[in-house]
Amino acid sequence: DTEVTQTPKHLVMGMTNKKSLKCEQHMGHRAMYWYKQKAKKPPELMFVYSYEKLSINESVPSRFSPECPNSSLLNLHLHALQPEDSALYLCASSQEARGGLEKLFFGSGTQLSVL
Amino acid sequence: AQTVTQSQPEMSVQEAETVTLSCTYDTSESNYYLFWYKQPPSRQMILVIRQEAYKQQNATENRFSVNFQKAAKSFSLKISDSQLGDTAMYFCAFMTGSQGNLIFGKGTKLSVKP
Repeated sequence: DTEVTQTPKHLVMGMTNKKSLKCEQHMGHRAMYWYKQKAKKPPELMFVYSYEKLSINESVPSRFSPECPNSSLLNLHLHALQPEDSALYLCASSQEARGGLEKLFFGSGTQLSVL
Repeated sequence: AQTVTQSQPEMSVQEAETVTLSCTYDTSESNYYLFWYKQPPSRQMILVIRQEAYKQQNATENRFSVNFQKAAKSFSLKISDSQLGDTAMYFCAFMTGSQGNLIFGKGTKLSVKP
């Protein structure tokens, strides 16, 4: 199994809602990542988890709250988002977080629309 | 700061022909890695090819090969025998040896025409 599964595929939420994005992998990877991709732009790193601990936070606003409850699962909790947060949210995993030594496996993303 | 530049926003190629996508980068690091990712309409980012900066030999993966010119900081992707399934957005990306931050270029949209 070389898949990274993201749910839901599409999400529409209001600015006062609380929602969560979910990412799952069963490849035994110990590093997991959240990327944000605005329309017609490249992905930008948000968070990196290594061995279930947050190792990189790229100055992301606190309305985005990541969680890694176990080595297979990564969540992104969303609260009080703004319309400009509308984007494709991509999850990725790799064996470890060793930079360029690693091959990242990406999911197909969650397309988020904030109204 | 590291930057990655892709100067071709869009390209097209006929099926079975060869196409080259350009990428330049800027860094003061000596230990780094370069990648080409494709993003088809399914939106999943798929690794096409990877090059270690310390290796002089150009990486190849089946129909995909790179021309890595370290002194010129250039990293182009050649796709031979183009297929309809190669239609996608192609991103050139850079990562240092130790950090988990992939820095992407703005992408080149490739269309393969029958």
